[in-house]
Amino acid sequence: DIQMTQSPSSLSASVGDRVTITCRASQSISSYLNWYQQKPGKAPKVLIYAASSLQSGVPSRFSGSGSGTDFTLTISSLQPEDFATYFCQHSYSIPYTFGQGTKLDIK
Amino acid sequence: QITLKESGPTLVKPSQTLTLTCTFSGFSLSTSGVGVGWIRQPPGKALEWLALIYWDDDKRYSPSLKSRVTITKDTSKNQVVLTMTNMDPVDTATYYCAYYATGFDYWGQGTLVTVSS
Repeated sequence: DIQMTQSPSSLSASVGDRVTITCRASQSISSYLNWYQQKPGKAPKVLIYAASSLQSGVPSRFSGSGSGTDFTLTISSLQPEDFATYFCQHSYSIPYTFGQGTKLDIK
Repeated sequence: QITLKESGPTLVKPSQTLTLTCTFSGFSLSTSGVGVGWIRQPPGKALEWLALIYWDDDKRYSPSLKSRVTITKDTSKNQVVLTMTNMDPVDTATYYCAYYATGFDYWGQGTLVTVSS
């Protein structure tokens, strides 16, 4: 199985900050990497697919980059509604594993 | 507008079989490239992918659960069914179904299943 490791596991930041979350795959997954946002008690919502493509309706302050084994999710200027948990997930091969999550909270 | 909703028991006893139904609208599971998957999340923990069924009835399972999980579809009813045998308290989780195309693009609200005697 391909393991997905996110860092950091938690992060405190302020409104307006630029934030970067990293996801590393245990082997190359090309660009088969998706990012999700989950708020408490809610289902996840896809933000980025294929490593860098912004899902329709997602604000442009979210961006993704990377290929192979190393990927990043960047929020250019944090807004109050962005405080949530973020997960990466690969779709390169079965099983489609998720990272352990990065909890982003208010400093 | 794509929507999905999970239904099934909220409480099952250890060793019992869980059957969950995902009822969806806004797309057809006969459309090329489309799939519906199941993902679960134990309380306070990470997401775990369980199974995925594609428009052509191709089925994929998590190797760690393959012996216990079955996924089927009824295209005419717009439903996908997940069955999981031999339930254990560690299977307590919120179970989600999700529409799959480029990723898990749309999710149901989830249903919490508790395994307890």
